[in-house]
Amino acid sequence: GAVVSQHPSWVICKSGTSVKIECRSLDFQATTMFWYRQFPKQSLMLMATSNEGSKATYEQGVEKDKFLINHASLTLSTLTVTSAHPEDSSFYICSARDPLVDTQYFGPGTRLTVL
Amino acid sequence: SQQGEEDPQALSIQEGENATMNCSYKTSINNLQWYRQNSGRGLVHLILIRSNEREKHSGRLRVTLDTSKKSSSLLITASRAADTASYFCATAQGAQKLVFGQGTRLTINP
Repeated sequence: GAVVSQHPSWVICKSGTSVKIECRSLDFQATTMFWYRQFPKQSLMLMATSNEGSKATYEQGVEKDKFLINHASLTLSTLTVTSAHPEDSSFYICSARDPLVDTQYFGPGTRLTVL
Repeated sequence: SQQGEEDPQALSIQEGENATMNCSYKTSINNLQWYRQNSGRGLVHLILIRSNEREKHSGRLRVTLDTSKKSSSLLITASRAADTASYFCATAQGAQKLVFGQGTRLTINP
């Protein structure tokens, strides 16, 4: 199947710093990418929809100024957690939609720990 | 917001037995998809069933969809230890957005 990568796979940072997570579709062009967060033993919660060349669409309750999303190319979207706090610690997962097969492929996730 | 509810939340069976997981949803859908997630890892797409389909097979997986009851089931036959994972259903709303169920944690005991 199609491959989506995320980098880094895990990151530990101090409170107040910003962290950037990259999501890449490796063998297809994704006009749309999605960012989710997942707390332990819970399901995935959609944070935002990222469209190439336009502003991201955020879900209700997600602060767009805190979670900055950039989708500069058809194969790369980035999520920047600004001024991270311990409550931002979570597992962040991206997905990329392959329009040719109408399927979302998920990255391996990034575990963020804010001290 | 979460649309799907999955049943059971946790399932533990012996290797070789069949595992059945159910998913219910609330709104009209274009399709329903099942994903597997190993602990601490990303999601693996298992199967997609469209709203005009009733049953679909892929290897040891069998998915059914009943749009009148707004429910779907995932059957894994002849389970293996490697099937231990969490399984999520996800419904496609509108053009692209996926809404995930709460998931079923499946444990296969050797």
